[in-house]
Amino acid sequence: QKEVEQNSGPLSVPEGAIASLNCTYSDRGSQSFFWYRQYSGKSPELIMFIYSNGDKEDGRFTAQLNKASQYVSLLIRDSQPSDSATYLCAVPAGVGAGSYQLTFGKGTKLSVIP
Amino acid sequence: DAGVTQSPTHLIKTRGQHVTLRCSPISGHKSVSWYQQVLGQGPQFIFQYYEKEERGRGNFPDRFSARQFPNYSSELNVNALLLGDSALYLCASSSFQSSYNSPLHFGNGTRLTVT
Repeated sequence: QKEVEQNSGPLSVPEGAIASLNCTYSDRGSQSFFWYRQYSGKSPELIMFIYSNGDKEDGRFTAQLNKASQYVSLLIRDSQPSDSATYLCAVPAGVGAGSYQLTFGKGTKLSVIP
Repeated sequence: DAGVTQSPTHLIKTRGQHVTLRCSPISGHKSVSWYQQVLGQGPQFIFQYYEKEERGRGNFPDRFSARQFPNYSSELNVNALLLGDSALYLCASSSFQSSYNSPLHFGNGTRLTVT
């Protein structure tokens, strides 16, 4: 059973600070990793995906992947109140072709304080 | 371009009844997946269809079934509803069968309440 672990929070940061969200996964063979943002009562929205070790930057968001340590993190720079949401980490249940199933963590609730 | 569309947005049913949820994927996407999300939890995989064939099934009872039509739209059916089936049901589509370089895009979901 593949597992994805996230700290449920809530994580509170002041406006303008860097928010750091972490996720660990159990399957060492996992190849791709996704971060989704979910506002209360809404559906998950893809914000980042990463396949290679290292960092991937997109605007104020940076995803960091460390396959040796089996963790992936999401940094949000210059946090804004509009970033307040639950952030879900997701890992494919299988490697390669065959089926497309994502295993999600429970999510980390982020609150950005003005 | 239209995103993933789901209908209805909200639904209230009584225990023992049957429900059908509908989903239209993003144009050009051939893979459709269904997820159940209960309050406070991450989405949980139910089914995946690719090119009208079932390619994956999660740990859900046989009361749950789905199908994909020639136009790639999909239905999720749940029979003999239980109170525990109350959840947000999410449909997601992707370009390809596997996750590599093909992220899932979710619809707005159907909120099912079973009383």
